[in-house]
Amino acid sequence: EAQVTQNPRYLITVTGKKLTVTCSQNMNHEYMSWYRQDPGLGLRQIYYSMNVEVTDKGDVPEGYKVSRKEKRNFPLILESPSPNQTSLYFCASSVRLITDTQYFGPGTRLTVL
Amino acid sequence: AQSVAQPEDQVNVAEGNPLTVKCTYSVSGNPYLFWYVQYPNRGLQFLLKYITGDNLVKGSYGFEAEFNKSQTSFHLKKPSALVSDSALYFCAVRILDTGRRALTFGSGTRLQVQP
Repeated sequence: EAQVTQNPRYLITVTGKKLTVTCSQNMNHEYMSWYRQDPGLGLRQIYYSMNVEVTDKGDVPEGYKVSRKEKRNFPLILESPSPNQTSLYFCASSVRLITDTQYFGPGTRLTVL
Repeated sequence: AQSVAQPEDQVNVAEGNPLTVKCTYSVSGNPYLFWYVQYPNRGLQFLLKYITGDNLVKGSYGFEAEFNKSQTSFHLKKPSALVSDSALYFCAVRILDTGRRALTFGSGTRLQVQP
């Protein structure tokens, strides 16, 4: 089944404790991105990647890191999480272009205490 | 800067009635426009998109949207609402004329269809 998977789905952590949220797609898509969803703000893009080893900042990249060492994986790294990073995070992928249909993962609900 | 607005936080409609979810955009170039839907505890799903061509775009689940350049709008419509259409709907825009390869999403509109 074609899908985007994220792990973990739920995470509660404390300020400053490094964490990684994994994202993997099995559709051989070139474009991948991370979004955060906050009430009243919709989805805001954190980072995106056009292909392996090619990443760029979205609208709200501060406090986040990403890497794209393999085509299928695009992990989101929070080196020192803070409470303002409490949010619902979505990974998405599309064939090649941002204008292609994006396929979203199920989301990761992160709480930083 | 590109932006997209969804002026209604919530839209209520009775089952069987037509529905409209509004979206307006502000851009300096030619827009690519999208609608996505989010069901409870799920990721977003693609509904439809406008790239170029016919201003009326038909999408999944009987939804359609009309691109109106003069009013800078891309409202989502359906002739007859179903209870199962109740969800959170997002409009998104990408500008063709910039090098930025990112989508800007609206804040979302919750559609509630009453039986």
